[in-house]
Amino acid sequence: SQQGEEDPQALSIQEGENATMNCSYKTSINNLQWYRQNSGRGLVHLILIRSNEREKHSGRLRVTLDTSKKSSSLLITASRAADTASYFCAGPYSGSRLTFGEGTQLTVNP
Amino acid sequence: GAVVSQHPSWVICKSGTSVKIECRSLDFQATTMFWYRQFPKQSLMLMATSNEGSKATYEQGVEKDKFLINHASLTLSTLTVTSAHPEDSSFYICSALRTGGTDTQYFGPGTRLTVL
Repeated sequence: SQQGEEDPQALSIQEGENATMNCSYKTSINNLQWYRQNSGRGLVHLILIRSNEREKHSGRLRVTLDTSKKSSSLLITASRAADTASYFCAGPYSGSRLTFGEGTQLTVNP
Repeated sequence: GAVVSQHPSWVICKSGTSVKIECRSLDFQATTMFWYRQFPKQSLMLMATSNEGSKATYEQGVEKDKFLINHASLTLSTLTVTSAHPEDSSFYICSALRTGGTDTQYFGPGTRLTVL
């Protein structure tokens, strides 16, 4: 079963605005990870949040995790054109194997 | 640190030929590596888990005889697409887990395979 589903599928905002992406998952996890992918490139690990954490920050990124709702959100503050990319959440199942959601395509307009 | 490279970055081949893709962890050892494929505008699908010194574990629906995986050292895993067909055209991405590290997977830049 699909581990992560992102919402929205696509998001277009102006530079300087905040971007929020949501992820829902179906099974229990011990951590949830967020990745960024620029078009035609590999994935860049952004942040990992463990199941006993509720919120985590890294620079302009803020991730929350609600295990009771099986959901997570990624907030990018003060967005820049360079933040334009696809963002994926991923949860491990059966050890370290990851299942990725469908992703959110973020476009930040200058 | 934690850099993963893939070679080649893109390859075009004729139908029926075999293509080998390399995944290397440049500055760390990786007992476990993963191979994914990604179709345009879609998410990553895990194909197999590659373990150093042992047989790879394939996900359901992935043909192990078609996608040969070899993980001969702690820094190198290879994926060979045998008898490639146009439907194998895709973006193949590997990732590596640092031996003794956390659950973070470090991804390579991907290999674009086009089968004519």
